[in-house]
Amino acid sequence: GDSVTQMEGPVTLSEEAFLTINCTYTATGYPSLFWYVQYPGEGLQLLLKATKADDKGSNKGFEATYRKETTSFHLEKGSVQVSDSAVYFCALDDYKLSFGAGTTVTVRA
Amino acid sequence: GAVVSQHPSWVICKSGTSVKIECRSLDFQATTMFWYRQFPKQSLMLMATSNEGSKATYEQGVEKDKFLINHASLTLSTLTVTSAHPEDSSFYICSARDPKQETQYFGPGTRLLVL
Repeated sequence: GDSVTQMEGPVTLSEEAFLTINCTYTATGYPSLFWYVQYPGEGLQLLLKATKADDKGSNKGFEATYRKETTSFHLEKGSVQVSDSAVYFCALDDYKLSFGAGTTVTVRA
Repeated sequence: GAVVSQHPSWVICKSGTSVKIECRSLDFQATTMFWYRQFPKQSLMLMATSNEGSKATYEQGVEKDKFLINHASLTLSTLTVTSAHPEDSSFYICSARDPKQETQYFGPGTRLLVL
């Protein structure tokens, strides 16, 4: 079945550092791919998405490119802020969402 | 982006009572809504898929008589935890699928504590 493997955390960074969270997937078809972010005590917020190969999703300085050849959808941000501290989930949509385990990111001032 | 609300955000109840949680899509019609459960420091666990006007589809291991789901309209789904026990204490999150965006949008979650 479909599955998502996400980089294990936790990840701790200093402000203005570069962030990468690796995500790879296994799917029989060509699903849409998503990154969701969860702040403490809250639900998930859609961060960005890509619906087909080579699509780049971007939002709030975050980017991820749908790479079919490497079955990957890595999340990147060039300069993180303290407010980016959260749990990030990679997900694959085959009508139901298949989630990665989540990566906790802590950004220190 | 699309907005999904959930009510209540917090509920504390006594063991043996039932608790109802509402999930609403505020600015789009959702033919499908989903209910998840999340344990501390873990990913989301899908409990059931709820389609408007039909019976919910439960994931393996989820007791349908324990977790009653109703999806009476295109903007409202409810989850009722019946005869709640302390082991049902958890964070429950709903999502609604926007068919035009082909994207699931999540509610803010409901924290249930059963004493």
